[in-house]
Amino acid sequence: DTAVSQTPKYLVTQMGNDKSIKCEQNLGHDTMYWYKQDSKKFLKIMFSYNNKELIINETVPNRFSPKSPDKAHLNLHINSLELGDSAVYFCASSQEDNGAAREQFFGPGTRLTVL
Amino acid sequence: DQQVKQNSPSLSVQEGRISILNCDYTNSMFDYFLWYKKYPAEGPTFLISISSIKDKNEDGRFTVFLNKSAKHLSLHIVPSQPGDSAVYFCAASGTSYGKLTFGQGTILTVHP
Repeated sequence: DTAVSQTPKYLVTQMGNDKSIKCEQNLGHDTMYWYKQDSKKFLKIMFSYNNKELIINETVPNRFSPKSPDKAHLNLHINSLELGDSAVYFCASSQEDNGAAREQFFGPGTRLTVL
Repeated sequence: DQQVKQNSPSLSVQEGRISILNCDYTNSMFDYFLWYKKYPAEGPTFLISISSIKDKNEDGRFTVFLNKSAKHLSLHIVPSQPGDSAVYFCAASGTSYGKLTFGQGTILTVHP
């Protein structure tokens, strides 16, 4: 019974293509996140949504567009993929406590490879 | 500008002994700290956390110590087990809504 799920787990695509990664959480949390883990293994936040509203956008290129149809889903759409977009992307969720980030629960990750 | 640093890329420990993982931070606005464990091809899993109003939090074999004046925290695992072998990430949060800042991780290997 997966708490935070992502699809696909692996994604290989050509430069210039548009792709989406889906994320769903069944924990009833009101906040969801996207993180990027680059080749140096740093985990960096990209976006945060609280109840379908964008809260954090960490200077991510506008080729990346998150979409939250409801508070259980946060999908990531990437236009015009570039080589530098190759990374592992993690979705996470949490129940906010007066705006503070507390324990976040992560999905298994999506390894994106751009050729 | 790396606000959370784990200066040891790796640590090797014998089974049954203590593992000590260290983390330093620079932002004095951080008020909550977390440790995550990550196995290959999986997402990070929450381990233990500590608020800045405490200096110690214990959960079974895991204890986190916080030294605010030194801006340093550590995770102690006693006794270490081979199943503890993983990458351990330190993370911190402060006033920025929902944002966790992660260190670069330490690979822990526990030898039988």
